[in-house]
Amino acid sequence: QIQLQEWGPGLAKSSETLSLTCTVSGVSVNSEIYYWTWIRQPPGKGLEWVGYISSSGSTNYSPSLKSRVSMSLDTSKNQFSLRVSSVTPADTALYYCVRDTIAAAGSLFDYWGQGTLVTVSS
Amino acid sequence: QSVLTQPPSASGTPGQRVTISCFGSDSNIGSNTVNWYQQLPGAAPKLLIYSNHQRPSGVPDRFSGSKSGTSASLAISGLQSEDEADYHCAAWDDSLRGYVFGTGTTIIVL
Repeated sequence: QIQLQEWGPGLAKSSETLSLTCTVSGVSVNSEIYYWTWIRQPPGKGLEWVGYISSSGSTNYSPSLKSRVSMSLDTSKNQFSLRVSSVTPADTALYYCVRDTIAAAGSLFDYWGQGTLVTVSS
Repeated sequence: QSVLTQPPSASGTPGQRVTISCFGSDSNIGSNTVNWYQQLPGAAPKLLIYSNHQRPSGVPDRFSGSKSGTSASLAISGLQSEDEADYHCAAWDDSLRGYVFGTGTTIIVL
């Protein structure tokens, strides 16, 4: 079955770079019908779309995070990764990796990882 | 920050019908389809409704979605205790060129 699993350091210090990786199983990250997406959720708050990377490596980031975010794809390991630079405590959140299926009527986030909590200390 | 507005909470007794609203603008709900996600306590969100009113396989028909203009609604009929969760609406925003989510609504079963 399809599974996504995030992993990476759970702690970061202000001004450092946060790095997370998502391992995908049951589907290839090479498939052209999916965007590989990161969504985050600060404790007790709503969801925030961070951005996505396609199978071709093209990216689309949230305008509010664009200057600090980068994503990459490793097809040999069937993984994709997120980097957020110059983090502050406001970047503390549960980070989800998500499969976004490109459908005729728009996209849908149909498979989610369990989420990994990243805490940024000042 | 959330671009789509939802009520913080809604409640009902078992068997009742509860409706959640999601208010947006011309650049998001007014121009694109709306999806809804259910987030059970301590769990990752799950796709509940897509393309305004479509249900993925396995989602009970007690859940229904609709859209009109720049707002959307999620209705839960025959409310059950296991429906206690947070519900999030989402849509693509043409102006922001990204996905936007609602503020989230907590459903409480009394």
